[in-house]
Amino acid sequence: EAQVTQNPRYLITVTGKKLTVTCSQNMNHEYMSWYRQDPGLGLRQIYYSMNVEVTDKGDVPEGYKVSRKEKRNFPLILESPSPNQTSLYFCASSPSDSQETQYFGPGTRLLVL
Amino acid sequence: LAKTTQPISMDSYEGQEVNITCSHNNIATNDYITWYQQFPSQGPRFIIQGYKTKVTNEVASLFIPADRKSSTLSLPRVSLSDTAVYYCLGNTGGFKTIFGAGTRLFVKA
Repeated sequence: EAQVTQNPRYLITVTGKKLTVTCSQNMNHEYMSWYRQDPGLGLRQIYYSMNVEVTDKGDVPEGYKVSRKEKRNFPLILESPSPNQTSLYFCASSPSDSQETQYFGPGTRLLVL
Repeated sequence: LAKTTQPISMDSYEGQEVNITCSHNNIATNDYITWYQQFPSQGPRFIIQGYKTKVTNEVASLFIPADRKSSTLSLPRVSLSDTAVYYCLGNTGGFKTIFGAGTRLFVKA
């Protein structure tokens, strides 16, 4: 089944404790992206990747890192999480760029205490 | 990349047609208009995309006037399960995406 998977789905952590949220897609898509969603703000793009080893900042990249060493995986790294990074995170992929349909993962709900 | 403006919320009743308008005054020549639907605690799902005039699929219709400064998503005969947030996006074919706050549609029985 074609899908985007994220792990973990739910995470509670404490300020400053490094964490990684994994994202994987099995559709051989070039484009992948991370978003965060907060009440009243819709989805805001954090980082995106056009292909392996090619990444760029979205609108809210501060406090996040990403890597794209393989086509199928696009992990989101929070080196030193803070409470303002408490949010719902979505990973997405699409065949080439954002003009194509983006397929979203199920979301990761993160609480930073 | 086009910045879009939509109503924050709309209410409707089952069986009615719902039209959600999106304003994108600075849309570029190459921009397509794409609409997504999102249910609570789920990722957005593609509904429809168009460049100009009218596009229809099994879920919705999309109307884009000649000046392309706005677009209207039309949902025929909505049901309770159409209660969701609807986002319009202007896509340049580039890689940056701006979703905005979306329109929260609430369908009542």
